[in-house]
Amino acid sequence: GAVVSQHPSWVICKSGTSVKIECRSLDFQATTMFWYRQFPKQSLMLMATSNEGSKATYEQGVEKDKFLINHASLTLSTLTVTSAHPEDSSFYICSAIVAGGWYEQFFGPGTRLTVL
Amino acid sequence: QKEVEQNSGPLSVPEGAIASLNCTYSDRVSQSFFWYRQYSGKSPELIMSIYSNGDKEDGRFTAQLNKASQYVSLLIRDSQPSDSATYLCAVSFIEYGNKLVFGAGTILRVKS
Repeated sequence: GAVVSQHPSWVICKSGTSVKIECRSLDFQATTMFWYRQFPKQSLMLMATSNEGSKATYEQGVEKDKFLINHASLTLSTLTVTSAHPEDSSFYICSAIVAGGWYEQFFGPGTRLTVL
Repeated sequence: QKEVEQNSGPLSVPEGAIASLNCTYSDRVSQSFFWYRQYSGKSPELIMSIYSNGDKEDGRFTAQLNKASQYVSLLIRDSQPSDSATYLCAVSFIEYGNKLVFGAGTILRVKS
């Protein structure tokens, strides 16, 4: 149980284009999902908290207009990187918590974004 | 002081030995504690959770929690080369709601 999927697993795009990453909870409902970014050999960095049916809450320093998050259903959250630039190249990982649980987060496999 | 601290390592142990990973956390009201394993290039995987003082065992893994000392540890018995990874400690603090605060991780290397 508690399986989270992400799509795509990797993406290469040109500078200036937008990229959408999907995060799905496959066998449970997730009222809250989280989006992280991780650069090589660095720690996880929380970008935003995504709540179903409401606006995402962004961490300090994260540009909400650049990283658009939509949590349209209890099983799906999307992250759109708008006007991507090479410095946005990173490993993007989503996680979800089971409603009514003890806040343990289950992570998706991650999406590796490379912006040329 | 960081809210969740771990020794970055690397911690090197021989195959078959016990690996001991430690984590301390700040003096905030906390409720849940987790250990994640992250292989290079992969996402974190939940391996243990603990909520009350004492020990919790699951297979070769034992989590230990001491709230008075603000300390949580993970013991891996009979360490295998496949256990080589970065181990992340995560804490749920009441004031942060449902977010977890992660430590920077400890690199474990098990040598055969």
